[in-house]
Amino acid sequence: DAGVIQSPRHEVTEMGQEVTLRCKPISGHDYLFWYRQTMMRGLELLIYFNNNVPIDDSGMPEDRFSAKMPNASFSTLKIQPSEPRDSAVYFCASSLHPDREAFFGQGTRLTVV
Amino acid sequence: QQQVKQSPQSLIVQKGGISIINCAYENTAFDYFPWYQQFPGKGPALLIAIRPDVSEKKEGRFTISFNKSAKQFSLHIMDSQPGDSATYFCAAGLNRDDKIIFGKGTRLHILP
Repeated sequence: DAGVIQSPRHEVTEMGQEVTLRCKPISGHDYLFWYRQTMMRGLELLIYFNNNVPIDDSGMPEDRFSAKMPNASFSTLKIQPSEPRDSAVYFCASSLHPDREAFFGQGTRLTVV
Repeated sequence: QQQVKQSPQSLIVQKGGISIINCAYENTAFDYFPWYQQFPGKGPALLIAIRPDVSEKKEGRFTISFNKSAKQFSLHIMDSQPGDSATYFCAAGLNRDDKIIFGKGTRLHILP
């Protein structure tokens, strides 16, 4: 397996634009997590799915953020409209279970100007 | 209750020395404590993990020490090497809660 695949690796967008980040988890993993990493706040859990169902979205900063998992092999994180303070590295991770190893993708570095 | 507090924020160690990173938690129900290692431009990767039924776990040069009564755990890197330079995250998990809470990370730099 190629591991968790995220796209794009880098995204630069203007304030107010819609941004969509994509993730392909490892096949067979039941859990998918979206994290945001910044210097100030470290690694924050935004939302996670179990068997394609959103379980906990309490980490989503506000209504501008939304996430979907239409099937077991694909998830998206959307920001609409984007703001400069959304600039961060966004990671997707998948695991068989939360207390098993979580495998992270390489991340998407988002810059909102 | 759900926080994991990690220190120091950054650490510089001479090659061959011992690197020590500490974490503390409040929720006594946490039952899984992994450490992740992250190199620049990469996602975090699991380094070593421990459960509260043991006080220490060693894998090569990496050791987790766990103090249940103090609600603290630490990562020790023996004979630190320049290749160990990375950001290290401690974390805590709660089996019934299905998620892992990460500390804010420690940027470790090993001087050659």
